[in-house]
Amino acid sequence: GAGVSQSPRYKVAKRGQDVALRCDPISGHVSLFWYQQALGQGPEFLTYFQNEAQLDKSGLPSDRFFAERPEGSVSTLKIQRTQQEDSAVYLCASSFFLRGEQETQYFGPGTRLLVL
Amino acid sequence: SQELEQSPQSLIVQEGKNLTINCTSSKTLYGLYWYKQKYGEGLIFLMMLQKGGEEKSHEKITAKLDEKKQQSSLHITASQPSHAGIYLCGADNTGTASKLTFGTGTRLQVTL
Repeated sequence: GAGVSQSPRYKVAKRGQDVALRCDPISGHVSLFWYQQALGQGPEFLTYFQNEAQLDKSGLPSDRFFAERPEGSVSTLKIQRTQQEDSAVYLCASSFFLRGEQETQYFGPGTRLLVL
Repeated sequence: SQELEQSPQSLIVQEGKNLTINCTSSKTLYGLYWYKQKYGEGLIFLMMLQKGGEEKSHEKITAKLDEKKQQSSLHITASQPSHAGIYLCGADNTGTASKLTFGTGTRLQVTL
């Protein structure tokens, strides 16, 4: 079946520009996660949705970062007034949800953002 | 993240050799996930461990979680060029499966 898809795959933005990154999770997956991966580092958690509810946004680095999942399926990560330090790969993951159980997160290919 | 340390940071092995990658957490591991990543691509799920002493195998890759649930190892037997990539361990330290904390990864090269 189809995996997690993300678009665009690559994005070049001028400093100060707003960007929007899209994630299409695996059909039927309740949970959706966004991670930021800097060059040579492991992914770092940004935010987590269960259906349309954003349950944890503790990893968002500043109020310039905003994520939404209005219908509990597709999610958008928006970065306002981009800065050079925002350059990274943004990874989206989705999983089923069973209360109290571990569920594997399946990752998309990522969006590579370069801010000039 | 300093909460989760991987070693070694990089590894070069000759084809056919065995190797082990370690992942150590400063907190209890409620779930430990192993992923593989190739440059420019997303993470490919390998295995998930959650019970102390648990061991899982898939093809030539074996992962173990220690009894205290604070350390995991990934062992590759008879390495092949297709095993090359970055291996990442991800930990659920909260027990809620709401987010993973990742190590910095181990870069594996397999020479002919």
